[in-house]
Amino acid sequence: EAGVAQSPRYKIIEKRQSVAFWCNPISGHATLYWYQQILGQGPKLLIQFQNNGVVDDSQLPKDRFSAERLKGVDSTLKIQPAKLEDSAVYLCASSRQTTNEKLFFGSGTQLSVL
Amino acid sequence: AQTVTQSQPEMSVQEAETVTLSCTYDTSESDYYLFWYKQPPSRQMILVIRQEAYKQQNATENRFSVNFQKAAKSFSLKISDSQLGDAAMYFCAFTSGAGSYQLTFGKGTKLSVIP
Repeated sequence: EAGVAQSPRYKIIEKRQSVAFWCNPISGHATLYWYQQILGQGPKLLIQFQNNGVVDDSQLPKDRFSAERLKGVDSTLKIQPAKLEDSAVYLCASSRQTTNEKLFFGSGTQLSVL
Repeated sequence: AQTVTQSQPEMSVQEAETVTLSCTYDTSESDYYLFWYKQPPSRQMILVIRQEAYKQQNATENRFSVNFQKAAKSFSLKISDSQLGDAAMYFCAFTSGAGSYQLTFGKGTKLSVIP
């Protein structure tokens, strides 16, 4: 089966600019996650979707980050305006259900904010 | 809140030898799952092995096995017959058995394999 697709692979922007990341989960996977991985740390969950509804966005900095999952398939994560501390790898993952299921990860988008 | 601690930022092992990566966690829950993920330079997180807390038997997957000590809240990964392709970042992760399936990761251990 095709894996989780993410684009772009790399992005460099100036601070205060906006940026968007795209994720296409594995077909049929109802649950989608966005993780932020800062250099030298493990991934941290930003937001979890079940179909097109938000399950948990408690760790999403809502003043600058937003995410949507239209029609319960593709998802977009946006940052506006970006800060230096947003430099990280943004990983998308998906699973069939919310519990007790293996997560499949994409290769991430590496964001550098200058 | 759950925490996951990996105390070894870097480890190295000779090819064909055995290495053990350490992980401790803190939780008040009795039902949970523990994982080891591998992250090569491609950045894709790959599941290596999974352990259910209610199972006393340690999980094994080919050359990979865990030593799960529930009372001590310890979950180490043993890699036997190390291969060059095992070189990567390894992350220990935890998720609650109840509710949504959200992973809490440690900071990772960088494993180098010496030919």
